Amino acid sequence: NAGVMQNPRHLVRRRGQEARLRCSPMKGHSHVYWYRQLPEEGLKFMVYLQKENIIDESGMPKERFSAEFPKEGPSILRIQQVVRGDSAAYFCASSLGRSGNTIYFGEGSWLTVV
Amino acid sequence: TQLLEQSPQFLSIQEGENLTVYCNSSSVFSSLQWYRQEPGEGPVLLVTVVTGGEVKKLKRLTFQFGDARKDSSLHITAAQPGDTGLYLCAATANFGNEKLTFGTGTRLTIIP
Repeated sequence: NAGVMQNPRHLVRRRGQEARLRCSPMKGHSHVYWYRQLPEEGLKFMVYLQKENIIDESGMPKERFSAEFPKEGPSILRIQQVVRGDSAAYFCASSLGRSGNTIYFGEGSWLTVV
Repeated sequence: TQLLEQSPQFLSIQEGENLTVYCNSSSVFSSLQWYRQEPGEGPVLLVTVVTGGEVKKLKRLTFQFGDARKDSSLHITAAQPGDTGLYLCAATANFGNEKLTFGTGTRLTIIP
């Protein structure tokens, strides 16, 4: 999973601030996924993106959260007006996007809201 | 939403023993992956299985995908302290949508 790069690895935000998490997929991968892992819980799907398209956002909270994967540059997960409950590890993953293809994860971005 | 149940949730055994963890669902999967996650790190892929009945071996780890593609198992032979970690199964349900649904996890501790 070394090929999927996430930054920052750790981010501290005060309540009400914005958090931006970035993800560069593995070379050649055009499909990106974001997952959230709350303390002591499993990984929960948030959103699945292709370049310039959102394929599936069924796991995204309805408010304050957005994601994009522009034609150029990394994918961005944006959380506006953060609250303490947003504190979690956010993992990005990427794949070639073909059926049955392997999905590789980054090392995560740990968001702490104080 | 499909649910992936893993069992046991926690397992603590002595070094050298064998163990099996399970991943079960009522849904059929198009593919299933096993990951291991260390504290503070992302999940690391161990194996991907696609074909019903498929068996894959990775050194002391043996992975099996059920014939009906609804369940999977991970067997570790002669467990070592380095096997300690959180083991997660994850599956894709639909061809064309590759999002993964993760299991509840098995936290394995190998006692030296």
